Amino acid sequence: GAGVSQSPRYKVAKRGQDVALRCDPISGHVSLFWYQQALGQGPEFLTYFQNEAQLDKSGLPSDRFFAERPEGSVSTLKIQRTQQEDSAVYLCASNMGVLQSPLHFGNGTRLTVT
Amino acid sequence: TQLLEQSPQFLSIQEGENLTVYCNSSSVFSSLQWYRQEPGEGPVLLVTVVTGGEVKKLKRLTFQFGDARKDSSLHITAAQPGDTGLYLCAGAKAGGTSYGKLTFGQGTILTVHP
Repeated sequence: GAGVSQSPRYKVAKRGQDVALRCDPISGHVSLFWYQQALGQGPEFLTYFQNEAQLDKSGLPSDRFFAERPEGSVSTLKIQRTQQEDSAVYLCASNMGVLQSPLHFGNGTRLTVT
Repeated sequence: TQLLEQSPQFLSIQEGENLTVYCNSSSVFSSLQWYRQEPGEGPVLLVTVVTGGEVKKLKRLTFQFGDARKDSSLHITAAQPGDTGLYLCAGAKAGGTSYGKLTFGQGTILTVHP
């Protein structure tokens, strides 16, 4: 496809369960970003990859959050022992990784923790 | 922590009216981007402003970057129902190298009534 693809679109988890969210960026995009968007708020940065290297994970809210991009393309955001406050839309975005390269967002995964 | 204050949070107007959305910060940004987000979708980039004092026009939308690169505005002329959506401003940190790690405002929900 031409755009950033995320799956699943919706995920309901019971508190304490582990979840894995997938992002398939635009082909050729070296940079990949994860953002968290709470209801009624703007997105907040979580983490950033350049190819397979995770260069910035300063936005991950706790050590329950883990992201990987082992082959420099598809990325997975894993949340262990989910809590209610983890409920949000998780957005993935990618770009060419050069100055003023536009950021392309996927449609997100809406996570609801019950 | 860099913060972007966006105002107003909600805007409900009639078709044909003009409106302005503001994005303010005490921090300097290397660039400021404006996005539009529809329900259930990811943000879509409208414009990037880079130079202090820069003005860009996109049909009925006019974007301005403040001289000190700390604030920006979005002005819509003769709003139409199709303009309805969530508008987000986002700043890239001065000196940053990720070219995609952005600080977002909390968004403005615009509703244009026919």
